Amino acid sequence: DAGVTQSPTHLIKTRGQQVTLRCSPKSGHDTVSWYQQALGQGPQFIFQYYEEEERQRGNFPDRFSGHQFPNYSSELNVNALLLGDSALYLCASSLAAGAANEQFFGPGTRLTVL
Amino acid sequence: GIQVEQSPPDLILQEGANSTLRCNFSDSVNNLQWFHQNPWGQLINLFYIPSGTKQNGRLSATTVATERYSLLYISSSQTTDSGVYFCAVAAPRGYNFNKFYFGSGTKLNVKP
Repeated sequence: DAGVTQSPTHLIKTRGQQVTLRCSPKSGHDTVSWYQQALGQGPQFIFQYYEEEERQRGNFPDRFSGHQFPNYSSELNVNALLLGDSALYLCASSLAAGAANEQFFGPGTRLTVL
Repeated sequence: GIQVEQSPPDLILQEGANSTLRCNFSDSVNNLQWFHQNPWGQLINLFYIPSGTKQNGRLSATTVATERYSLLYISSSQTTDSGVYFCAVAAPRGYNFNKFYFGSGTKLNVKP
């Protein structure tokens, strides 16, 4: 049973650049959520995608955008990178929209902005 | 959003000792999960426990939804239990609907 996968594992960018992170959900899941985890803190909810639409959004600027494909995989895009965007980005998948069902997380992408 | 408070923030144990981690939350929830984050950042599912009690080997968890808290018990701790333990919750209604909120974690260090 394939779990949640993310790519790349690490990424180094400079301020002002744009980045795309990718996530494939656990087999059988149709909902993908993205989280940002700064060093020493708990993950913070960015947004959730279900049926190729953004269903819920956390307190993040419009520089953060996403997409979900027909095969349920998802991308997170961040434009105009800031130093403060350096973090571990986690993807979670679940069955059906919302957060009531058990969430499963991928290994994360560690983004460093120089 | 929902406030999630975990205690203690840091815990140092000798191998073989038992411990209790606590998670308090500020609103009714329809999802509560406990995770163990390993040194590489992977969040490992421990329990999905919006209410009731569950056990898995040396670990067990209890959620008392009416009193808005959950407890994670670790018995006979091992060095491999070291890491950060997170509690996360989701609310069934209102502005918090569909969002998953994490506490700030308990950092556990088990010494041999």
